[in-house]
Amino acid sequence: AQSVTQPDIHITVSEGASLELRCNYSYGATPYLFWYVQSPGQGLQLLLKYFSGDTLVQGIKGFEAEFKRSQSSFNLRKPSVHWSDAAEYFCAVAPITGGGNKLTFGTGTQLKVEL
Amino acid sequence: GAVVSQHPSRVICKSGTSVKIECRSLDFQATTMFWYRQFPKQSLMLMATSNEGSKATYEQGVEKDKFLINHASLTLSTLTVTSAHPEDSSFYICSARDDRGETQYFGPGTRLLVL
Repeated sequence: AQSVTQPDIHITVSEGASLELRCNYSYGATPYLFWYVQSPGQGLQLLLKYFSGDTLVQGIKGFEAEFKRSQSSFNLRKPSVHWSDAAEYFCAVAPITGGGNKLTFGTGTQLKVEL
Repeated sequence: GAVVSQHPSRVICKSGTSVKIECRSLDFQATTMFWYRQFPKQSLMLMATSNEGSKATYEQGVEKDKFLINHASLTLSTLTVTSAHPEDSSFYICSARDDRGETQYFGPGTRLLVL
């Protein structure tokens, strides 16, 4: 069965510092890959997605993620974090074929930004 | 673009009553919508896949008679929590998959509190 692992439950960074959130997946084949962000009491906002092609994808709000097939990873990065980036971040995967494109989510990483 | 709305944003009801939650894709068509449930500080759990014009597909362990789903048009899906009980209190989030692609866009969520 497919699974998504986000090993860091909580991460605290200083404003202006760089950020990397880890995501590893277990899947039969390379799936579609997503990163979503959730502010408290809100729905999820899509940050970026990888379907195919260039393994470094750019998203909104200055985020980027790199797909590494050999490591089954899709880590999210941002060079300089802003206080408004504090939120919950979810990595998710979906099958390319079949499965109704159901998303499987990781457990999330709570990001705290220190001023 | 790609906006999904949910109504209501929060609802408080008495035990034994039914509550209907609407999910609308505002600027795109969505043959497929998904309903999720999220407990505090946890990830999203898929409850069911809603398909326009056909019966919803429920995940294992989700009572289809308790969580009624209707997908009446390409832009509207509804989730009705029937005979709600306090244990049904949760954050319910819908998503809509754009028919033109593979991306799910999420609504802002509905906070349900059953007294």
